[in-house]
Amino acid sequence: GAGVSQSPSNKVTEKGKDVELRCDPISGHTALYWYRQSLGQGLEFLIYFQGNSAPDKSGLPSDRFSAERTGGSVSTLTIQRTQQEDSAVYLCASRVGGSAETQYFGPGTRLLVL
Amino acid sequence: QKEVEQDPGPLSVPEGAIVSLNCTYSNSAFQYFMWYRQYSRKGPELLMYTYSSGNKEDGRFTAQVDKSSKYISLFIRDSQPSDSATYLCAMSAQTGANNLFFGTGTRLTVIP
Repeated sequence: GAGVSQSPSNKVTEKGKDVELRCDPISGHTALYWYRQSLGQGLEFLIYFQGNSAPDKSGLPSDRFSAERTGGSVSTLTIQRTQQEDSAVYLCASRVGGSAETQYFGPGTRLLVL
Repeated sequence: QKEVEQDPGPLSVPEGAIVSLNCTYSNSAFQYFMWYRQYSRKGPELLMYTYSSGNKEDGRFTAQVDKSSKYISLFIRDSQPSDSATYLCAMSAQTGANNLFFGTGTRLTVIP
């Protein structure tokens, strides 16, 4: 498809386990974002990749969270030693460049930590 | 205080009603304002974008920005059941900003 895809769509894990969430951005989009969406909290910025520049990690809530973007395309968000408060929808967005508002979002990964 | 405040609702209206959705913000540097629509179990999609103060109309949707009051609105005329979704406001201080500040979203249901 032409849109942003994310996998898995749902993930249930046990507290303390590591999880990896994947994002396939729209082909040719140079910018990629990860957000977290919790009930009543809105979208929380996590990390931003732009081309070959160093990522902006200022939104990552703790050092248990990390993300990579390989070859300027696919990105993986890793959460180590998951906690129950990590339960949320993790959204990925990409944009071709230029203004930040033209972000295209994926459907999200729903993470539940038991 | 959050950067962006938005009433989470839920808001239920009959089909055909005019809907008013609002956000307030605290950062006077914001000048790019957006409304996203998010259907259940989907990612947000950009609905409206405005720069600085003023109105913008697109079909049944009108976005208003009042920078002096730090207040933005989205109006939906002749609301349809297909408009049932969560509406999120978002804003940034400059174009090309590496992230947007989002409201919590207002959940709207349009009853047939």
